[in-house]
Amino acid sequence: GENVEQHPSTLSVQEGDSAVIKCTYSDSASNYFPWYKQELGKRPQLIIDIRSNVGEKKDQRIAVTLNKTAKHFSLHITETQPEDSAVYFCAAVHPNAGKSTFGDGTTLTVKP
Amino acid sequence: DSGVTQTPKHLITATGQRVTLRCSPRSGDLSVYWYQQSLDQGLQFLIQYYNGEERAKGNILERFSAQQFPDLHSELNLSSLELGDSALYFCASSVEHVDTEAFFGQGTRLTVV
Repeated sequence: GENVEQHPSTLSVQEGDSAVIKCTYSDSASNYFPWYKQELGKRPQLIIDIRSNVGEKKDQRIAVTLNKTAKHFSLHITETQPEDSAVYFCAAVHPNAGKSTFGDGTTLTVKP
Repeated sequence: DSGVTQTPKHLITATGQRVTLRCSPRSGDLSVYWYQQSLDQGLQFLIQYYNGEERAKGNILERFSAQQFPDLHSELNLSSLELGDSALYFCASSVEHVDTEAFFGQGTRLTVV
C-alpha cells in the first residue's frame, strides 16, 4: 500500500522566515496531494492541494510543489506569522480507491 | 464551521463496551471518511463510503465497523473497546470520492477507561 513520509517532525522558525515541509510517497498511482493544517484541539483544515498534472501551485504565502518522478511534494510557507503555528499534515490520495494516506505531521512553531 | 457534524463531541466508556459515533456530511457531499487520531499521533485513515457503498478501507480493526445510510449520514461502530482505542475520531466529507477537498468535522473524543 501507499506509504507517506513527512519531514521534519518539528520545525521552529523566526517570524518572517520561510518554512518548508517535505513529503515522499511510494505509490506512483497517487494523484491528489492535499495539505492540512491542524491547530491545537481543532479539526484539520485544507490549506492547499495539488493534483498530479500540476507541478506547482501557489496561494498567497503558501505554495506546494510536486515532483512526480521523484515522488515527493513540498509545502512552502513564506513570511511566516505566529498564527501559522500548528501541525501540518500532507496526504496522498489514490485514484479510484479514494484511500488517503497521511504523513505523521510536522509541528511548526513560529517564534515572534 | 465546516458543515460536517459529529456527535457526540465527547464519550467516556469502559473497556469491553460498544459505542456508535455519528457523522452528518455537508449538504450535497456523497463521500464520508473516518479517521482516527491518537494522542500526539497523525491521522490514520479508517474507511470511506461513497453514496452508501464502501469505497476504500484503511487500517480499520475488525472490532470496528461503519456504514452510510440512504440519507448519507454515517456511523462508526466500535466494539469490545480497549484502552488503546482512546482517540479523537474524525469524520470528513467531500463531494466526489477522489481528489476533491475533504471537510472535517470537529471530531469525537473517545476515552476508554
